[in-house]
Amino acid sequence: SYELTQPPSVSVSPGQTARITCSGDTLPKQFSYWYQQKPGQAPILMIYKDNERPSGIPERFSGSISGTTATLTISGVQAEDEADYYCQSPDRSGTAVVFGGGTKLTVL
Amino acid sequence: QITLKESGPALVRPTQTLTLTCTFSGFSLNTDEVGVGWIRQPPGKPLEWLADISSSDFKWYSPSLKTRLTINKDTSKNQVVLTMTNMDPLDTARYHCVHKLYGYGEKGICSWFASWGQGTLVTVSS
Repeated sequence: SYELTQPPSVSVSPGQTARITCSGDTLPKQFSYWYQQKPGQAPILMIYKDNERPSGIPERFSGSISGTTATLTISGVQAEDEADYYCQSPDRSGTAVVFGGGTKLTVL
Repeated sequence: QITLKESGPALVRPTQTLTLTCTFSGFSLNTDEVGVGWIRQPPGKPLEWLADISSSDFKWYSPSLKTRLTINKDTSKNQVVLTMTNMDPLDTARYHCVHKLYGYGEKGICSWFASWGQGTLVTVSS
C-alpha cells in the first residue's frame, strides 16, 4: 500500500526555523496537506494544496513541494507550536486518502 | 461557524457492528464541492482515513476496510452515518467526523479536511 514518510521527531529552539518533511512518490502529481494536532485536541488544517494557508493560520507556517518531498516550514518557532504534525495526500489511485506517520515537534 | 459532533457507543463487543452518527452545522451537504468523512486515531498512533461521502452521494472507502464500512447521509437532518461491521479490539480508537472541501489546482481536482469534530472514543472489548 502507498505510504507517506515523515521523520518521527524534530526538535528546535524557540525563534529558530523548523522543517518537517513528507516523502511520497505521487507528490509531484498530487497535492499535499498538513495538519497540526496538540495533545487531547482534534487536528487543525495548517496547509492545503501544497502551499496555501487557511484563514487564521499564522504566516510563520508555510508549505512547499520539491519533487517527491513536501515540506512544512515553521519560521520563528514558538512554544505553542509544539505538537504532532501530519501530512496527507491521495494514494496512487487518487481516490483514497493517506496520512503520514506524523512528526512530533519539540520546542526546546 | 462550522461544527461537527460525533455520537455513538463508547464500548462495543468484538464481532459487533459499530454505528456512528455525525451531526453537523454551519454548512449543507446540498452544496457542491462539500463532503463529510470519517478519520480514526488509535491511542498513541497516527491518523487513519476511513471513508467520505460527497454532496453528490459519491462514496469512497479505505481499501483496507472497504468490506466492513458503509457511509450514508441524511441531508434533511444534517447527519452522516458510518457503520463498521465485525469490530475487533484493534479498532479501538477515537473516531473523528470531518468537513471535506473540494477544489481545483494545477494538479487537478483536490480535496482536504477543513474542519474536524472532537471525536468519540470507541473501545472494543469483551
